[in-house]
This record gives sequence, C-alpha cells and structure tokens, in this order.
Amino acid sequence: SSELTQDPAVSVALGQTVRITCQGDSLRSYYASWYQQKPGQAPVLVIYGKNNRPSGIPDRFSGSSSGNTASLTITGAQAEDEADYYCNSRDSSGNHLRVFGGGTKLTVL
Amino acid sequence: EVQLVESGGGLVQPGGSLKLSCAASGFTFSGSAMHWVRQASGKGLEWVGRIRSKANSYATAYAASVKGRFTISRDDSKNTAYLQMNSLKTEDTAVYYCTLLREDAFDIWGQGTMVTVSS
Repeated sequence: SSELTQDPAVSVALGQTVRITCQGDSLRSYYASWYQQKPGQAPVLVIYGKNNRPSGIPDRFSGSSSGNTASLTITGAQAEDEADYYCNSRDSSGNHLRVFGGGTKLTVL
Repeated sequence: EVQLVESGGGLVQPGGSLKLSCAASGFTFSGSAMHWVRQASGKGLEWVGRIRSKANSYATAYAASVKGRFTISRDDSKNTAYLQMNSLKTEDTAVYYCTLLREDAFDIWGQGTMVTVSS
C-alpha cells in the first residue's frame, strides 16, 4: 500500500481545468513533486517544490499544497496532457525514504 | 546534455542475480544522490532505493520490498551507479529506472531497462 493516495482516474473536457490530488501525512512536512508519464516513456517532472516548473513545462501546469494534500492543476487541458500522473515525496517514517502515489490516469475528453 | 543511461537488464530465473548499471553524463555525478525506481507492467512507480554522495558517506536506503536483497553502489570515477539484485522473485519483474534527485525532485530519468524474472 502507498503512503500517498491518488484517485485512480480523472477526466477533463478539452480546454477545461482539472485538479489531481495526492494525500498523505508526510505532505504536512514536505512538498510533493509531480510526474507525467505517457505510455512507453519514462516519467517527466512537471512540478516540484512550492510551485516550480522545470524548463519546458507549460505554464498551464501548477502545484499547490494544503494540510496533508498536494494538488496538481492543469488550466486549459490539452489533448497532449492525457497521461498518468504520479506524486512523490518523502515518506512519513523520518528515514528520508521516498514514496510515490498510486498514480492518476488523466483522460482528456 | 544531462543524461542517464541504464543497462544490464534481461531474463533471470527466480532466485538468481542481476546487476544493473546507470551511466551518467552532463552533471556533477560525484555530488549527486542517485535513486532507482521500478515499474511493473501496467502498474505504478515504485521507489526502490538510493545512494547519496561521498560527502554524505555514500549512505544508502531501500524500500522494504527489496531491503536485504538489493544493494546500490556507485563508482564516481566512472560516473556510474549500480543496482545489484539478488534472490530475485517473479514480483521483481519490472522496468528499472535510475533517476537524479535535485531540489527534492527527480528531474532527470533514464530510459529504463527491463528485468524479467521467470523460469
């Protein structure tokens, strides 16, 4: 079982806004990072820290956090955003291990 | 260009061993923490373990599912990290990625190498 919990699937209409969430105790102390993964490809970092985007990631991707929940928001979802999204953070044991959420399959309708 | 390239995957019988390599280029490897992440077919990402830099005593840590069976090491002179996998089980079948942790996020990933544990 994962210490970070994500909804298995979310859908959004083309051009609309969608929020993908990640819940876990460790998120009260540490930021989550977010990864996009398309079929047959390695994951790609899209959001890290408080709300930082690596170079090349569109500004329609943003991140936020409140309490034990981190969120990835896509404002104006595009067809190419259809993918699996994973959150990651440190675990809650204090041993600085890492843990991934179970992933959310985003469908753009 | 920052790059990670994994190698060493293949087919191995249950109970066998395999050693994966991760060759790094384009960044200061010796000062970086390197992590391994795996993904079984159709499943999510699973963190496997990490090794820190010499400055952090090459400290290692592992997921409970592999602790005692897997060992991560590195050779800074070759800019390469390794994942030694022993006592392999069928449930270890997965694509194995090495990834670079910077600013508390995995910002660079290799292309992955496939490990199949089967008789």
